[in-house]
Amino acid sequence: DAGVIQSPRHEVTEMGQEVTLRCKPISGHDYLFWYRQTMMRGLELLIYFNNNVPIDDSGMPEDRFSAKMPNASFSTLKIQPSEPRDSAVYFCASSLAGGGPDTQYFGPGTRLTVL
Amino acid sequence: AQSVTQLGSHVSVSEGALVLLRCNYSSSVPPYLFWYVQYPNQGLQLLLKYTSAATLVKGINGFEAEFKKSETSFHLTKPSAHMSDAAEYFCAVGYNQGGKLIFGQGTELSVKP
Repeated sequence: DAGVIQSPRHEVTEMGQEVTLRCKPISGHDYLFWYRQTMMRGLELLIYFNNNVPIDDSGMPEDRFSAKMPNASFSTLKIQPSEPRDSAVYFCASSLAGGGPDTQYFGPGTRLTVL
Repeated sequence: AQSVTQLGSHVSVSEGALVLLRCNYSSSVPPYLFWYVQYPNQGLQLLLKYTSAATLVKGINGFEAEFKKSETSFHLTKPSAHMSDAAEYFCAVGYNQGGKLIFGQGTELSVKP
């Protein structure tokens, strides 16, 4: 299996620009998660989907952040407009958890730098 | 509220020494418990998980963890540390609420030669 695929791996942008992060989950998984990791705040759950439907977006920091999952094999996290405080590593993870919590498989992450 | 606490944000051991990373959870229902490891510039990967079978769980790279319901703990141990074990370790807990896991703040393990 290819595992969870994220793109780009690195993104450098200027404040005010739109940023789109992409994720392809493991085939057959029914949950998809977006996390943000920083030194100050650690690992934060932003939003998660079950069967392409957003279940909990309470971790999304502001209206500048939005996430979509148009189909079972693709999700995006968009920041518009971006700010320097959005600089972080963003992880996507997926799991097969129809019967209860199970292992989440993480992608390699996207390191975002907003100047 | 459900939560997980990792005691010690940083642990340092000598090569060959015992590794003990502590994790406590708050719950009134049986949890699913996980330990993940994150090497520099990588995503998290599963070390081991507890899902109500044996209370002593063996994982990869010689790690193991013991579920102690009376102490609401799931501490991670390894008898002899290797330099390659230097990484950040996360404890996570899940309940019967679908796929969501609650992660601890992480413990950075350093291994001295």
